[in-house]
Amino acid sequence: QMQLQESGPGLVKASEPLSLTCTVSGGSISTFTYYWGWIRQPPGKGLEWIGSMDYSGTTFYNPSLKSRLTMSVDTSKNEFSLKLNSVTAADTAVYFCARYSIGYSIDEWGQGTLVSVS
Amino acid sequence: EVVLTQSPGTLSLSPGERATLSCRASQSVSSSFLAWYQQKPGQAPRLLIYSASTRATGIPDRFSGSGSGTDFTLTIARLEPEDFAVYYCQQYGRSLWSFGQGTKVEIK
Repeated sequence: QMQLQESGPGLVKASEPLSLTCTVSGGSISTFTYYWGWIRQPPGKGLEWIGSMDYSGTTFYNPSLKSRLTMSVDTSKNEFSLKLNSVTAADTAVYFCARYSIGYSIDEWGQGTLVSVS
Repeated sequence: EVVLTQSPGTLSLSPGERATLSCRASQSVSSSFLAWYQQKPGQAPRLLIYSASTRATGIPDRFSGSGSGTDFTLTIARLEPEDFAVYYCQQYGRSLWSFGQGTKVEIK
């Protein structure tokens, strides 16, 4: 069974970029069976879709984040990444990486990583 | 962009009771692309229902989904103690995903 694990700094300074990586284990990321992506959840609030991509690098971004967001995939490392520029306190959240499956639903989630913007 | 509105915000019920959660979309959503998730504190969400009415692997049959177009429903037939949590609906359309704001099911 595939597992996803987020990694990256837990604290980022305002105006600097936020970078996270999701490492996929238990299976290859190089399949069009799945999409891969990111969701975030500010403390005490609901879920917000950030963006999704396939393993060839085709990306789909939340329009509200598109101007600051870059997602990429490294098939040699079986991982994908997120970079969000010019962060503010509003970007403080738990960031989840995810696998999209049937009906574009999310059937596998990372455990989540809290990123705080100071 | 499709906006999903969930109601009620909070549902206060007792174990054994029936829970009915609503998810209304600002425009029509394909039933194939509507999902429901359960989230407990400190945990990642868990997929319950996909394609509006299909239970995900390992999900008990007390959970059921229904609906079409702009109105979708998650029903929990008889609440078990472990069902008290926050529930989210999610849709996909035109290369965009979105979530509802969540419904909290709490113990009365």
